[in-house]
Amino acid sequence: GNSVTQMEGPVTLSEEAFLTINCTYTATGYPSLFWYVQYPGEGLQLLLKATKADDKGSNKGFEATYRKETTSFHLEKGSVQVSDSAVYFCALRSNYQLIWGAGTKLIIKP
Amino acid sequence: GAVVSQHPSRVICKSGTSVKIECRSLDFQATTMFWYRQFPKKSLMLMATSNEGSKATYEQGVEKDKFLINHASLTLSTLTVTSAHPEDSSFYICSASPDGRYRDTGELFFGEGSRLTVL
Repeated sequence: GNSVTQMEGPVTLSEEAFLTINCTYTATGYPSLFWYVQYPGEGLQLLLKATKADDKGSNKGFEATYRKETTSFHLEKGSVQVSDSAVYFCALRSNYQLIWGAGTKLIIKP
Repeated sequence: GAVVSQHPSRVICKSGTSVKIECRSLDFQATTMFWYRQFPKKSLMLMATSNEGSKATYEQGVEKDKFLINHASLTLSTLTVTSAHPEDSSFYICSASPDGRYRDTGELFFGEGSRLTVL
C-alpha cells in the first residue's frame, strides 16, 4: 500500500545552518507530494507541493524535488532561521486521500 | 483566504462524559471536511470524512458510535467523543478545502487542532 517515511526528530540546528529533512514514499501510480508545516500553536499549513516527477516545489526558502527514481521528496533550506522551528509533515495524495508521514520536529537555536 | 477554525483548542473532561469539537470554514464553503487523530510521534490518522447533509464515512477501525460526526452546514462540522475514556486522549485535527479544490489540487486547510485530555 501507499506509505510515507520521514526522518525521526527532533532535528536541532543552529541558525543559518543547512537543513535537510528526508522523505521517501511508496505508492502506486504517480502521486502528488506535499510538505506541510505546523508552527507552535497553529494549524497545519501547506508549505510546498509537486505534482509530477522532477517538479520542484518551493516556498519561503524551502525546496523539495519530486524524485521518482529514488521515490523521495526531501525538504531543504539553505539557511534556517529560529522562526523555522516547527513540525514538518511529508504527505502524498493518492486516490484523493492524503497519506502522511509521522512528522519531524525542527528546533533552530539562535 | 481559506481559513479553518477549530474549537476548543484544549479540553479536559472526566471519564464517561461527552465532548464536542467544532470545525468551521470561515471564508469558504466545504461540502467535505476531514477529521484526523494525531498520536505522539505518529502520523495523522484519518478518522472519517464528513459530508454535508449526509452520513460521515468512517475509516476502518474507527467506532462510529464513539466518534459522532455531524456536518449540518457547508461551513460547520462537529466531532463528538461520546463516553470518553483516557485512551481517547489525543490531538484531534480537522481539515477542509473549498469545494472542488481538493479534488483538483489535493490542497487542504487545517484547523488549529484540539487537545483532548480525559481524566
